[in-house]
Amino acid sequence: EVQLVQSGAEVKKPGESLKISCKGSGYDFTTYWIGWVRQMPGKGLEWMGIIYPGDSDTRYSPSFQGQVTISADKSISTAYLQWSSLKASDTAMYYCARREGVTLNFDFWGQGALVTVSS
Amino acid sequence: NFMLTQPHSVSESPGKTVTISCTRSSGSIASNYVQWYQQRPGSAPTTVLYEDDQRPSGVPDRFSGSIDSSSNSASLTISGLKTEDEADYYCQSYDSDNPVVFGGGTKLTVL
Repeated sequence: EVQLVQSGAEVKKPGESLKISCKGSGYDFTTYWIGWVRQMPGKGLEWMGIIYPGDSDTRYSPSFQGQVTISADKSISTAYLQWSSLKASDTAMYYCARREGVTLNFDFWGQGALVTVSS
Repeated sequence: NFMLTQPHSVSESPGKTVTISCTRSSGSIASNYVQWYQQRPGSAPTTVLYEDDQRPSGVPDRFSGSIDSSSNSASLTISGLKTEDEADYYCQSYDSDNPVVFGGGTKLTVL
């Protein structure tokens, strides 16, 4: 069974760093792209970036380029999303999702990780 | 970059049919596949249609999709509406320069 399990909710202060994770199982983690999607409270889905764990090829949305870093450790089937200095506006739910290679559909999603940034 | 524009909300009664549009701002809607995701409150999105009109296993055939090149838009149609269909729906597409583009989402109310 394909699963993406994300790390838990985080409460951080502005200026702090954070790295959240997304662990895949039930499939060959190295052969599917993993995307990250932000959903701010009461708002829609925003694509942040995507990584191919097989070779760590990474693409960022222009809106998020330079704001976050996406990485992956294929040895433990885990993708990461990290911030070096959080802002209150980073408060959101963050989803990882597997992108199917032929249809380009996000066919499996993680459960989401709520990040709250508040002083 | 192109954008995908959806109506903010639609509403319809149980048993009726509703259509949600997704209009591409530039480039041909037919050039790249469109996917549709359903997101119920408090849950992660799930796919209801991929490759314009294909249903994943488990999605009822009440859900259908189409492409209209004349309006440069994709549509998600839900027939025989049920209260359980009440959710937010997002279209998504891509092109060679933009790997992922989401529409703004449409809130479907079944009343």
